[in-house]
Amino acid sequence: DTAVSQTPKYLVTQMGNDKSIKCEQNLGHDTMYWYKQDSKKFLKIMFSYNNKELIINETVPNRFSPKSPDKAHLNLHINSLELGDSAVYFCASSQDSPLHFGNGTRLTVT
Amino acid sequence: KQEVTQIPAALSVPEGENLVLNCSFTDSAIYNLQWFRQDPGKGLTSLLLIQSSQREQTSGRLNASLDKSSGRSTLYIAASQPGDSATYLCAADPTQGGSEKLVFGKGTKLTVNP
Repeated sequence: DTAVSQTPKYLVTQMGNDKSIKCEQNLGHDTMYWYKQDSKKFLKIMFSYNNKELIINETVPNRFSPKSPDKAHLNLHINSLELGDSAVYFCASSQDSPLHFGNGTRLTVT
Repeated sequence: KQEVTQIPAALSVPEGENLVLNCSFTDSAIYNLQWFRQDPGKGLTSLLLIQSSQREQTSGRLNASLDKSSGRSTLYIAASQPGDSATYLCAADPTQGGSEKLVFGKGTKLTVNP
């Protein structure tokens, strides 16, 4: 009965590949988010979705595209992966505050 | 632009000690201030949320304070235990409603030695 679950936990891939990370929440929250935590441990928001609408998109390359088939899912698709994309990606959800996070996906691009 | 800083970056204490973690933010126009805990290989777990109108919040052995005018928040942990070992992050939220503008600090890595 995990609240926010994301898969896979680890993802190792080569430069130039396309990959997806899936996220599901069973909390009934209206808003879901994707965060990136880089090697310096800074946690920065990438996207948030509220009722299937993108409501914020920070300066993220358009190689990253969030896809939300329904309110409980927000997947992250990444095209043409680059070395600098290596990081831990966290999915989160909220109904106002506070945030509920998934356990993260460690992406390593070689 | 809001910046959140946490000092120290790492802290090691013996079990049973009381300790304080510090968080500072540059823009005092915040809606709330949140403290999270991150365990290795895990996501963040919300610990305490202090609304801008509040001075402090308590949960068990944890007490968080907020001083908006000085741009500071502290997380006090009483009678620390090895299970408290984790990275503690604070985050400033400038807006009511969604958390999309939450700004995080880099965290303080706490180690409590048995």
